[in-house]
Amino acid sequence: QKEVEQDPGPLSVPEGAIVSLNCTYSNSAFQYFMWYRQYSRKGPELLMYTYSSGNKEDGRFTAQVDKSSKYISLFIRDSQPSDSATYLCAMKYGNNRLAFGKGNQVVVIP
Amino acid sequence: SQTIHQWPATLVQPVGSPLSLECTVEGTSNPNLYWYRQAAGRGLQLLFYSVGIGQISSEVPQNLSASRPQDRQFILSSKKLLLSDSGFYLCAWSTGFSGANVLTFGAGSRLTVL
Repeated sequence: QKEVEQDPGPLSVPEGAIVSLNCTYSNSAFQYFMWYRQYSRKGPELLMYTYSSGNKEDGRFTAQVDKSSKYISLFIRDSQPSDSATYLCAMKYGNNRLAFGKGNQVVVIP
Repeated sequence: SQTIHQWPATLVQPVGSPLSLECTVEGTSNPNLYWYRQAAGRGLQLLFYSVGIGQISSEVPQNLSASRPQDRQFILSSKKLLLSDSGFYLCAWSTGFSGANVLTFGAGSRLTVL
């Protein structure tokens, strides 16, 4: 059951560029929308989460949710080589269920 | 502060051998605990979760099992490994189901079954 679609990439960008990642979903019951970052051979770590449609900023990161289109995005401004990682979107539904995207590998080239 | 530990970090096991992966959480009480598997190109798959000692919910029928003998300890086991059990196993915890139910993951255990 493909509830969350995320293009696995990889996505290569030069240092300083804007990285744009997105996920689409089909389940209207999704309530919270999260982005996790996963470095190679490590566990994912939460970057940010949001509940409502609109934008949420945290430093160089902006999460965007459009519930009407069932589409979420993550933007990374002024990308750095340290941003090279896999980014996973995740969405909460029900009491404790999280649906994850497959992850999008990002490579920032110095 | 809360920390989560997983071990072993890496292991290579022959088909048919047993498995035991351990996870412990420090700095919190009565956490919700989770086991996920991450296979290449397949994303994160929830295997088990637990809301308390001895309470295990299984999400996917398979030859794996989980146990929670103590409040902050979660163990993933198998009696006989299959080739398809290879993958990156992640333990995670959360404080509750309200809100976003943010998960904090361990560093993972990479299992290769030969």
